[in-house]
Amino acid sequence: GDSVTQMEGPVTLSEEAFLTINCTYTATGYPSLFWYVQYPGEGLQLLLKATKADDKGSNKGFEATYRKETTSFHLEKGSVQVSDSAVYFCATNQAGTALIFGKGTTLSVSS
Amino acid sequence: NAGVTQTPKFRVLKTGQSMTLLCAQDMNHEYMYWYRQDPGMGLRLIHYSVGEGTTAKGEVPDGYNVSRLKKQNFLLGLESAAPSQTSVYFCASRDRGGTDTQYFGPGTRLTVL
Repeated sequence: GDSVTQMEGPVTLSEEAFLTINCTYTATGYPSLFWYVQYPGEGLQLLLKATKADDKGSNKGFEATYRKETTSFHLEKGSVQVSDSAVYFCATNQAGTALIFGKGTTLSVSS
Repeated sequence: NAGVTQTPKFRVLKTGQSMTLLCAQDMNHEYMYWYRQDPGMGLRLIHYSVGEGTTAKGEVPDGYNVSRLKKQNFLLGLESAAPSQTSVYFCASRDRGGTDTQYFGPGTRLTVL
């Protein structure tokens, strides 16, 4: 079945460092891909998405490109801030119904 | 516009007790979902609904029941709570067509002793 694998954390960075969180997926057809973010004590919120191959999603300085040839959707940010500390989830949709999530990657940014 | 709300925010149960978690959305969304989040497991789908009066099982449905009597509400029931159901429960909703973005509630933290 469909699945999502993302790098295990925690990821600990200093402010202004470059961030990459790897995500790969297995799916039939042409799924949409998502990154959700969960700040401490809150629910998940959509960070960015891409709906077809070679699309780049971007938001708040984060970017991810839908790479069909490598089945990847890696999350990147050029300069992280303390306020980016959160748990990041990669996800793919499943036949238009529910989302399948990776296990989440905790990011901790220190000043 | 409140989005997706969940009631209650916290609850402690004893083994064998029952309870109902309420999810409400004011976005007129057709689809609604219940997930549970456990450390190191990500989010796993319990049940979902594609419209009023319809429900379907997800990945981990055992021990839970759901009802969607009104379009805006999706109830998750635990008939006889077990310690393995200690988790954070999230409700989400999305529109039927177009974007498949899901909108999440703030979560309910449930502890079963």
